[in-house]
Amino acid sequence: DTEVTQTPKHLVMGMTNKKSLKCEQHMGHRAMYWYKQKAKKPPELMFVYSYEKLSINESVPSRFSPECPNSSLLNLHLHALQPEDSALYLCASSPQGTGGAFFGQGTRLTVV
Amino acid sequence: AQSVTQLDSQVPVFEEAPVELRCNYSSSVSVYLFWYVQYPNQGLQLLLKYLSGSTLVKGINGFEAEFNKSQTSFHLRKPSVHISDTAEYFCAVREVNQGGKLIFGQGTELSVKP
Repeated sequence: DTEVTQTPKHLVMGMTNKKSLKCEQHMGHRAMYWYKQKAKKPPELMFVYSYEKLSINESVPSRFSPECPNSSLLNLHLHALQPEDSALYLCASSPQGTGGAFFGQGTRLTVV
Repeated sequence: AQSVTQLDSQVPVFEEAPVELRCNYSSSVSVYLFWYVQYPNQGLQLLLKYLSGSTLVKGINGFEAEFNKSQTSFHLRKPSVHISDTAEYFCAVREVNQGGKLIFGQGTELSVKP
């Protein structure tokens, strides 16, 4: 299994809603990431988890809250988002060491 | 600090022609280098990576890249492109011993025309 699975694929939410994005991998990777990608732009790193501990937070607003329940799962909890948060949210995982990151298909988020 | 520059934002090419997508990087330490492809409405797929050793790296879908340390470049090439290669291509670097943080270039849109 060489996949990173993200759910849902599409999400529309209001500015007062609370929702969660989910990510799962079964490759035994101990590093997992959340990226945000706007149209026609490269992915921007949001968070890095290493061995289930948050190791990098790229100054992301607190309305985004990551969670790593175990080594296979990564969640991104969303609350009180703004329309400008609409984007493709990508999850990725990588082995420790020299490997490249494997990306999921992303969740297309629209905030209305 | 690291940075990645993809020299062409758009590259139009005819089917079966060769193509080169250019990438230059800047870093004060050793780096690992990657090329990713992104098809419309999809995630990123790893095409190839340079970690060490031979400077010519072969990847999936017939792509290859050459690492040039003196010119700090990592250009991607394919001798004959197909319509299905139409996509966005991202060059990325990661510092050795610096967790997994990838720094991406701005991307190159490859458009293959019949």
